[in-house]
Amino acid sequence: EPEVTQTPSHQVTQMGQEVILRCVPISNHLYFYWYRQILGQKVEFLVSFYNNEISEKSEIFDDQFSVERPDGSNFTLKIRSTKLEDSAMYFCASSEVGRQDTQYFGPGTRLTVL
Amino acid sequence: EDQVTQSPEALRLQEGESSSLNCSYTVSGLRGLFWYRQDPGKGPEFLFTLYSAGEEKEKERLKATLTKKESFLHITAPKPEDSATYLCAVSAGTASKLTFGTGTRLQVTL
Repeated sequence: EPEVTQTPSHQVTQMGQEVILRCVPISNHLYFYWYRQILGQKVEFLVSFYNNEISEKSEIFDDQFSVERPDGSNFTLKIRSTKLEDSAMYFCASSEVGRQDTQYFGPGTRLTVL
Repeated sequence: EDQVTQSPEALRLQEGESSSLNCSYTVSGLRGLFWYRQDPGKGPEFLFTLYSAGEEKEKERLKATLTKKESFLHITAPKPEDSATYLCAVSAGTASKLTFGTGTRLQVTL
C-alpha cells in the first residue's frame, strides 16, 4: 500500500541553525501539506501546496518557513533559523485530485532544537 | 474560527466493552469531517471521511456517524490493539486544511 515517507525520523539542531525536513508524498497525489504537533498538543496546520505554489498557510508559517518541491518526488519544509519553540513533530501529508480533503500522513520527523 | 472539541480526553475500557467517542464542531460551511487514529510517536492514520449529516461509515469494530453539530466514533467489542489516540478533524469553506481536535486517548485492557 502506498505511503508517505519522511526523513529524517529525528533531527537535533542548535538554535539559529537551518533545517530541511524531507517528504516523499504518495506518487499520484498532487496536494501536499505540512502540519506540526508540539508534545501533548493538537496537530496544527502549517501550509498547503498545489501546482508548485502555496495554496494556504497558517499564522505559524512565517518568513522563517518555506516549502519547495525540488523534483518530481520530494517535498521539503525549510526552517531558516530555528527557535526553541520550533521543537515538535512535523508531519507531511498528501492527497489526490478530486479527493483533496482526504489526507494521508507520514510518520513524522521529530525536531529537537537545543 | 473553526473549532473542534473532543470528549472524553481519555477513556479506559475492558476488552469487549463497547463505547462512543464524541467530536463536536463549530465551522462555517463544513466540507468534511475526518477520523484518524494516532499511535504514540506516529503520524495520524486515516480512518473515515464523512460529508453530510446522517452519513455513517464502518470499518471492522469502528463506526462513525455525523450530525449537523457532532460526530461519534462507536467502538464495538474493542480489543487491546484498538488502544490509541483517536483524532477528529474538519475541513471547511474553500480550504482543504484540516483543523484537529485534541483527541481521545483510548486504552483497552484485557
